[in-house]
Amino acid sequence: QVQLVESGGGVVQPGESLRLSCAASGFSFNALGMHWVRQAPGKGLEWVAVIWYDGSKRYYAESVEGRFSISRDNSKNMVYLQMSDLRVDDSAIYYCARDSGRWCPDYWGQGALVTVSS
Amino acid sequence: QSALTQPPSASGSPGQSVTISCTGSRNDVGTYNYVSWFQQHPGKAPKLIISDVTEGPSGVPDRFSASKSGNTASLTVSGLQPEDEALYFCSSYAGTNKYVFGTGTRVIV
Repeated sequence: QVQLVESGGGVVQPGESLRLSCAASGFSFNALGMHWVRQAPGKGLEWVAVIWYDGSKRYYAESVEGRFSISRDNSKNMVYLQMSDLRVDDSAIYYCARDSGRWCPDYWGQGALVTVSS
Repeated sequence: QSALTQPPSASGSPGQSVTISCTGSRNDVGTYNYVSWFQQHPGKAPKLIISDVTEGPSGVPDRFSASKSGNTASLTVSGLQPEDEALYFCSSYAGTNKYVFGTGTRVIV
């Protein structure tokens, strides 16, 4: 069955960097795109980024453009989110999610908590 | 891109139906049939319950149905069960390789 497991969350200070990882299994990882979606405590979902199945295309929400970078390693079934110049309002649970092939995050991991605080 | 607009809450008694709206624009819901709905219980990850405007994935009860008219999508939960009490989010492709979620609706049974 499809499984997505995020790691790398933690507490950082404003301006610092953090890299999240997502380990995928149970499907043909190199055939599908992957998303990162975040959810601030008690708030709604916010789409963060997507990467094409082969890593050739990457797109970002305006709120993270230029600070965050999504990447993947198809040899390891891993997707990453490198976050730089973190701000307090980047604090959230970060979910990785598989794309169905039709702009739909159909399977989600359990999330990684990122807290940005001085 | 702006979040899609959903009512903050909706409620119904067990066995009744509840319908949640999701209002976007011609830049997202109104143009693309990539509208999805997700259910989220407290402390859990979102779960896909509808994709491609009306399609229920395998394993999702057919009590969940959805539709779209113009810039507004709707989710109907029929025959409400206690376990349907959760947060519900809509989402849509928003063009130029962007994606947007709704503001979320808490369904109270």
